[in-house]
This record gives sequence, C-alpha cells and structure tokens, in this order.
Amino acid sequence: QVQLQQSGPRVVKPSQTLSLTCAISGDSVSSQRAAWTWLRQSPSRGLEWLGRTYLRSKWYHDYAVSLKSRITIDPDTSKNQFSLQLHSVTPDDTAVYYCARKEGQKEGFDVWGQGTLVTVSS
Amino acid sequence: DIQMTQSPSSLAASVGDRVTMTCRASQDIDDSVAWYQQKPGEVPKFLLYKAFRLETGVPSRFSGGASGTEYTLTISSLQPEDFATYYCQQYYSMPPTFGQGTKLEVK
Repeated sequence: QVQLQQSGPRVVKPSQTLSLTCAISGDSVSSQRAAWTWLRQSPSRGLEWLGRTYLRSKWYHDYAVSLKSRITIDPDTSKNQFSLQLHSVTPDDTAVYYCARKEGQKEGFDVWGQGTLVTVSS
Repeated sequence: DIQMTQSPSSLAASVGDRVTMTCRASQDIDDSVAWYQQKPGEVPKFLLYKAFRLETGVPSRFSGGASGTEYTLTISSLQPEDFATYYCQQYYSMPPTFGQGTKLEVK
C-alpha cells in the first residue's frame, strides 16, 4: 500500500527556513493521477492546506496565497519524494506538518504522512 | 476562500447511538466534500469523499448526506473506536479548506 514517510528538523529558529521531506513508497511522485500536498495543523489555525505539486503535461505548483512569498514545494524524481521549504519562519508557523496525497477523482487526501511537530523557537 | 462551518463543536453520545454532525459551506460546492476522523495524537483518516462515497475499508455505519450547501456525516451505531474529532473539507475550489471540527465524546 502507499506510504508517506516524513523527515526533517523539529526545531527551527525564527527567520530561518523550515525544511521537510516526504518519501513516497507504493506510488510515484511522477504519477499523472496524484497531487502531492503539504498541510499543517495547529490549535489556532486548525487544518490548513499549504500547497501542492503534481505532474501532468509539466510540473505544476500551487500555494496558499498567504504563504506564496515564503513557500516552495518541489518534487525529487530521483528519490521519489517531495519537499517543503518555508522561509523566514516565525513562532506563528509552529504546527504539526503533514504531507499527503490527493489521488485521481477522490476529492480529499487519502494517504497522509505521520506528521512532524515543528517548533519555531530560538 | 470557501468557509466550512461545522456544528456542533462537540457532541456527547453513547455506544450504539445514531449520531449526525453537520458541515455548512459558505457557497455551493457541488457535493465536493470529504470527511476525516482524527484521534488524539494520530493522523487524520480519510472516511468519505464526494459527499457520499465511502473510502475503501471504512465501515458501512458511516454515511454522508447533502442538502444544498449543508452536508452531514452520520454514524448509524456508535462503536467505542468512533470517539474522535471529525473534520469536513471542501475541494470545489482552491484552496481546499477544512471545518473546525466536531469532537465526539462519551456521554
């Protein structure tokens, strides 16, 4: 079955870059049916969609408008994974971060990574 | 962005009860709603999509309903493992947005 395994630092200093990776098994980051997504969850914001990358005729990237100047989501086809970079973080970016898959016509996220609590603190 | 408003925010029930929770969209979303279950410290679990369609492996006691911009999740006979927080999510327009959750607690 499809599994997503997240990795990355759990503590990031303010103004620095949060970087997480999501390794995919049982599917391909180059799948023409999937969209590879990052979300986060915090008590103050609830569940929040951050952005996605997906391959159709070319690679596409969509980002939350509120984060568009600070976020990058990139595929790595050689390692079958995708990554999240969030620049210039503040304590307000402290949250549990999830990677997830949206597959085909299912209008929802059917597979999730295990979640990573990232704390922004000096 | 489309707002998804869930009610109630919490609900107390007993094993064997039939429970229904509601999610109202701020505009028409053409049944493009999904439901998730999340237990404390766990990852959200995908339950239903397109308002009515059960994800593979989800028990048939879970069902979805729709009327206009109001969507419901019903559990026909509560089991002990069903006590959790439930979230709705729309995928009709970008960005996908979630409700704030309904916490299902033991009465």
